[in-house]
Amino acid sequence: DTGVSQDPRHKITKRGQNVTFRCDPISEHNRLYWYRQTLGQGPEFLTYFQNEAQLEKSRLLSDRFSAERPKGSFSTLEIQRTEQGDSAMYLCASSSQLSGNTIYFGEGSWLTVV
Amino acid sequence: GDSVTQMEGPVTLSEEAFLTINCTYTATGYPSLFWYVQYPGEGLQLLLKATKADDKGSNKGFEATYRKETTSFHLEKGSVQVSDSAVYFCALSSQGGSEKLVFGKGTKLTVNP
Repeated sequence: DTGVSQDPRHKITKRGQNVTFRCDPISEHNRLYWYRQTLGQGPEFLTYFQNEAQLEKSRLLSDRFSAERPKGSFSTLEIQRTEQGDSAMYLCASSSQLSGNTIYFGEGSWLTVV
Repeated sequence: GDSVTQMEGPVTLSEEAFLTINCTYTATGYPSLFWYVQYPGEGLQLLLKATKADDKGSNKGFEATYRKETTSFHLEKGSVQVSDSAVYFCALSSQGGSEKLVFGKGTKLTVNP
């Protein structure tokens, strides 16, 4: 499977704990995106990487959230001191000019904070 | 800022009925327009796209035409199937920069046999 891969698919955590999600983009895609989707809503942009550089961050990305893409390949999204309001699906996506800039999404990582 | 407005759901149709899901947008410049579909428990899949005015995107019997004069990108299908039951999202991306997507809230479609 050469699609966007996310891990874990589901995570239940207690409030106040830290969680980390991993995303492996489509091979050779230089652009990587993180989105958040809550029930009944469309995905909301969180942040964007071009290669290893984080070029854009939404104001939705509070200081408890940090994303990295250290070698320009996989990315991690960490949420510190989780709150119940962080419960959502976290979607990763990737694209490149070679793919016509079409953005391809992974299946998402569901986070439930209890 | 850029925004997308979709018709409120849910939409319930019988098999073989005609489908229209309305989508309008607000954007500066000339965005690209997309329809994504999300099946239960899955991530988003690109259904179709159009990158300039009067372009028609089509896939799996679905069609949408980029109408600049009405800032719309309505999704249509002539005869829906039970397997089309899903949530449909209209989205835009502005040209240049990150080309990140701005999504509508989604429209849930249920097709009954």
